[in-house]
Amino acid sequence: QVQLVQSGAEVRKPESSVKVSCKASGGTSSTFGISWVRQAPGQGLEWMGRIIPVLNIANYAQKFQGRVTITADIATSTTYMELSGLTSEDTAVYYCARDPGVAALIHYFESWGLGTPVTVSS
Amino acid sequence: EIVLTQSPDFQSVTPKENVTISCRASQSVGSFLQWYQQKPDQSPKLLIKYASQAFSGVPSRFSGSGSGTDFTLTITSLEAEDAATYYCHQSGNLPWTFGQGTKVEIK
Repeated sequence: QVQLVQSGAEVRKPESSVKVSCKASGGTSSTFGISWVRQAPGQGLEWMGRIIPVLNIANYAQKFQGRVTITADIATSTTYMELSGLTSEDTAVYYCARDPGVAALIHYFESWGLGTPVTVSS
Repeated sequence: EIVLTQSPDFQSVTPKENVTISCRASQSVGSFLQWYQQKPDQSPKLLIKYASQAFSGVPSRFSGSGSGTDFTLTITSLEAEDAATYYCHQSGNLPWTFGQGTKVEIK
C-alpha cells in the first residue's frame, strides 16, 4: 500500500515562496508520477503539475507556469512543490497524489497525501 | 485546456435512492475519465478509473459509464456514508483537469 506523507502547515507573507514536500513509501513501481493538486477554502480541486521522479520530467498547468517548480529526490523518495510570488489567492490545502506513471496507459490518482495547508497573509 | 462541467452542483437525496451525476467534457477524452469522492476534511479517494473500472475496494453500488465527452457516475441505493462531494477528472490531455464538483447531501 502506497503512503504519501506531506510536510506540515505553512504560513507565508505575500510575495514570498513556499516549498512543500511529499515522501512516498510502499508500492513496487518505480516509474510512478506525483502530481500536486490544490484546493482553496470551500472550492474544488485544481491540478498544478506533475513529475515522474525516475525520469525527472515535469509538466505544469499553464496557470502556474513560471511560478511553480516540482522536483524530486530519488534517494529519499521525496517530491517537492515550490510556489513563488504568493498572494492571498494561493491560500489553500496542497495535496500530492500518485499515479501509475509511464508503465501504465491509464493515469489516475490512486493515492493521496493528507494535504498541507498553506496560508498567505500579511 | 479541457473543461469538465458536472451537473448538478448539488443534490439532496434520501437513503436507498439512486444518484446520477453527469460530467461533460469540452472535447473528447476517450475513456480517460476518473471519479473521486471527497468527504469533509479528508483527501479525495478514487472510485472509478478509465470511465467504468471500479478501483480496488470500492463498493459495488458505485459505477461509471460513458466515453468521449459524456460520462456518468451512478450510486445505486445511496447509503448515509455516501454524503460527500464527487469530482470527475480527465487524464486524456495535459493539463489534467477536474470538474467543479457535485455535493451530495443526505436528507
